[in-house]
Amino acid sequence: QQQVKQSPQSLIVQKGGISIINCAYENTAFDYFPWYQQFPGKGPALLIAIRPDVSEKKEGRFTISFNKSAKQFSLHIMDSQPGDSATYFCAASFRDDKIIFGKGTRLHILP
Amino acid sequence: GAVVSQHPSRVICKSGTSVKIECRSLDFQATTMFWYRQFPKQSLMLMATSNEGSKATYEQGVEKDKFLINHASLTLSTLTVTSAHPEDSSFYICSARPAGKTQYFGPGTRLLVL
Repeated sequence: QQQVKQSPQSLIVQKGGISIINCAYENTAFDYFPWYQQFPGKGPALLIAIRPDVSEKKEGRFTISFNKSAKQFSLHIMDSQPGDSATYFCAASFRDDKIIFGKGTRLHILP
Repeated sequence: GAVVSQHPSRVICKSGTSVKIECRSLDFQATTMFWYRQFPKQSLMLMATSNEGSKATYEQGVEKDKFLINHASLTLSTLTVTSAHPEDSSFYICSARPAGKTQYFGPGTRLLVL
């Protein structure tokens, strides 16, 4: 019930395309859903986050879509660039307590 | 703002020795700090949660006598890997959380035990 399931495990997208990563959760008590971007050998960096009271949040080329009834949320990267190639983790937490991470998606943008 | 540093960035040690990793919040006070471990191509695994001035809370399966955590101040937490073995080789990441806000992650420390 504490798991966050993430898919796909890896993703290859052409430059300029849309990258989509999906996550699902079970615990309806989760109230914070962040996405992290991690480059090799670096710590994860917060990319964008959403609370369950909104269905969508957009920051530049990055958009989170949130479906509370389905207990699913996704990250969309518009106009994907080679510099976006990284590992992306979705996550969930309750009252800013410990963060539960998905298993990660390795994204590769073809130049 | 919200910068977290770790020192060292990478360390190589001999089997049986102890290694200390520092985690500092540079521009904020962190009431809580977290330590994670990440194996290659895997997700972050929470090892323990520490609050300033109190004992750390360890996740199930993490040996508290092997991974000593000290949260001595609101800006510093240390993780000491005692009697390190090759299987302890990993990427260790800390995060710091100011009161009422989300966690900010450090850059990680690569530990290699020979």
